[in-house]
Amino acid sequence: DAGITQSPRHKVTETGTPVTLRCHQTENHRYMYWYRQDPGHGLRLIHYSYGVKDTDKGEVSDGYSVSRSKTEDFLLTLESATSSQTSVYFCAISESLNSYEQYFGPGTRLTVT
Amino acid sequence: SQQGEEDPQALSIQEGENATMNCSYKTSINNLQWYRQNSGRGLVHLILIRSNEREKHSGRLRVTLDTSKKSSSLLITASRAADTASYFCATVQGGSEKLVFGKGTKLTVNP
Repeated sequence: DAGITQSPRHKVTETGTPVTLRCHQTENHRYMYWYRQDPGHGLRLIHYSYGVKDTDKGEVSDGYSVSRSKTEDFLLTLESATSSQTSVYFCAISESLNSYEQYFGPGTRLTVT
Repeated sequence: SQQGEEDPQALSIQEGENATMNCSYKTSINNLQWYRQNSGRGLVHLILIRSNEREKHSGRLRVTLDTSKKSSSLLITASRAADTASYFCATVQGGSEKLVFGKGTKLTVNP
């Protein structure tokens, strides 16, 4: 988890409220990713970024938006949280898009009631 | 969509035994990676094997790749209780830009 922090680590919110999760890195890696992890599904990519202001969709992007205004920060926003977005969210970083390993943050457990 | 599928879903062994986990995938790949996840933690990269490699070692880990069968195996030798974790394979498909994870194998090593 060194070099990557996520905040908050735990959050409980109500259906319909906006939620923003933050990922912060100190490694100066170009690529950043948001995944969600659910039982029976493994990790699924939500969005990723390949540079400041450069982002693209992953496998399960509906209901999520992202922003990256600085190299070190990647924000994931749920505009109107739903119970199906209850999950553990992981941020990851990498030097290269697919040739090198990804380094993961400690995760954020989000519960939408 | 899931690219890699690990087998078995769960594995329980005694300390000192070897643990073997398998991963099958569907399309051509650039590389295949194995990750470990301890309970309540993020994933940790273990090893990467490229599509032109057949075997790779790292400490007590041995990974093989058979592109003709679209499968890989992870062998942990002389397992320890600290190896208890979930293990995931992840693949980068040819022509794709994304790493796709399998659902994982939950390994329990009993002391």
